[in-house]
Amino acid sequence: EAQVTQNPRYLITVTGKKLTVTCSQNMNHEYMSWYRQDPGLGLRQIYYSMNVEVTDKGDVPEGYKVSRKEKRNFPLILESPSPNQTSLYFCASSYGDRGWGNTEAFFGQGTRLTVV
Amino acid sequence: AQSVTQLGSHVSVSEGALVLLRCNYSSSVPPYLFWYVQYPNQGLQLLLKYTTGATLVKGINGFEAEFKKSETSFHLTKPSAHMSDAAEYFCAVSDRSRTSYDKVIFGPGTSLSVIP
Repeated sequence: EAQVTQNPRYLITVTGKKLTVTCSQNMNHEYMSWYRQDPGLGLRQIYYSMNVEVTDKGDVPEGYKVSRKEKRNFPLILESPSPNQTSLYFCASSYGDRGWGNTEAFFGQGTRLTVV
Repeated sequence: AQSVTQLGSHVSVSEGALVLLRCNYSSSVPPYLFWYVQYPNQGLQLLLKYTTGATLVKGINGFEAEFKKSETSFHLTKPSAHMSDAAEYFCAVSDRSRTSYDKVIFGPGTSLSVIP
């Protein structure tokens, strides 16, 4: 089954403790992206990747890191999480060669992160 | 800069009634437009999209949307609401003004409730 898989689905952590949210897709998509969803703000892009070893900042990159060593994986790293990073996070992938703005994106199930 | 507005953060309709979710956008070039649906505890799923051609677009689950350039709108409709339509709905617009990357901007979302 074609899918985008995120882990974990739920995570509660403490301020400053490094964490990684994994994202994997099995559709051979070149484009992958991370979003955070907050009430009243919709989804905002954190980072995106057009291909292996090619990443770029989205609209809200502060406090996050990503890497794209393999085509299928695009982990999101929070080196020192803070309470304002409490949010619902989504990973997405697409077959589009210009991101997904001319095609569509496939989304993971989401990771609900709470930082206390 | 591109922006997307969705009138009404919460919309309630009776089962069997018309569903109308509003989306207006601003864009410097003809955009691509999307509606995504998010069911509780799930990721986002594409309902429909407009790229070029016919301005009335039909999607899954009986939804459709009409692109009206003069009104810069892309409202989502369904003739008869079903209980299973209760979800969060996001309108998104693709910025096609860049040379190599189509950035997508999401609206804030509209939560649809269906009353039995």
